[in-house]
Amino acid sequence: EAGVVQSPRYKIIEKKQPVAFWCNPISGHNTLYWYRQNLGQGPELLIRYENEEAVDDSQLPKDRFSAERLKGVDSTLKIQPAELGDSAVYLCASSSGQGEYGYTFGSGTRLTVV
Amino acid sequence: SQKIEQNSEALNIQEGKTATLTCNYTNYSPAYLQWYRQDPGRGPVFLLLIRENEKEKRKERLKVTFDTTLKQSLFHITASQPADSATYLCALSENNFNKFYFGSGTKLNVKP
Repeated sequence: EAGVVQSPRYKIIEKKQPVAFWCNPISGHNTLYWYRQNLGQGPELLIRYENEEAVDDSQLPKDRFSAERLKGVDSTLKIQPAELGDSAVYLCASSSGQGEYGYTFGSGTRLTVV
Repeated sequence: SQKIEQNSEALNIQEGKTATLTCNYTNYSPAYLQWYRQDPGRGPVFLLLIRENEKEKRKERLKVTFDTTLKQSLFHITASQPADSATYLCALSENNFNKFYFGSGTKLNVKP
């Protein structure tokens, strides 16, 4: 089992440029999450998918952030245009909905906006 | 306002001792509480979940307690080893497994 796969691992972009992150969850996990983690802080939820439906996007800054999960498997998170304050680690996680097993996180994408 | 508080100062202990980490919360009524381990440059790794009606849960050298009166969870690692050095995050959910709020974590350093 490959785990939750994210790419790229690192990304440096200039402000106002677009950026996209990709996530492949654990096979069979219907629930997918995108979190943002700032340095020294815990992860904060951006969006949650159940299959292909975004069921909780209340924390997603919709003016510049968008996400999709076509076919209910892979997901992409996009920022356009990026701002300096978007510098963070973007984590993808998936779960089977069975709480005893928690969430499985990917290694994240570290975004630096300069 | 709602808060999840974990000690921001690193906990330094000697190998073989028991490490105890604290998670306090305010203005939440959690039904579930999870603990995760996070190593530098990696995503969090799930360790344990405890329900509001459970006082204590154990897994190998790990023990978690959950006191809804004190609004606190304690996370213990017995016989700690240098390999246990990491940041430990607590996360709580008020009603289901699908929305967990994370604390900022406590860094544990176990010295040989």
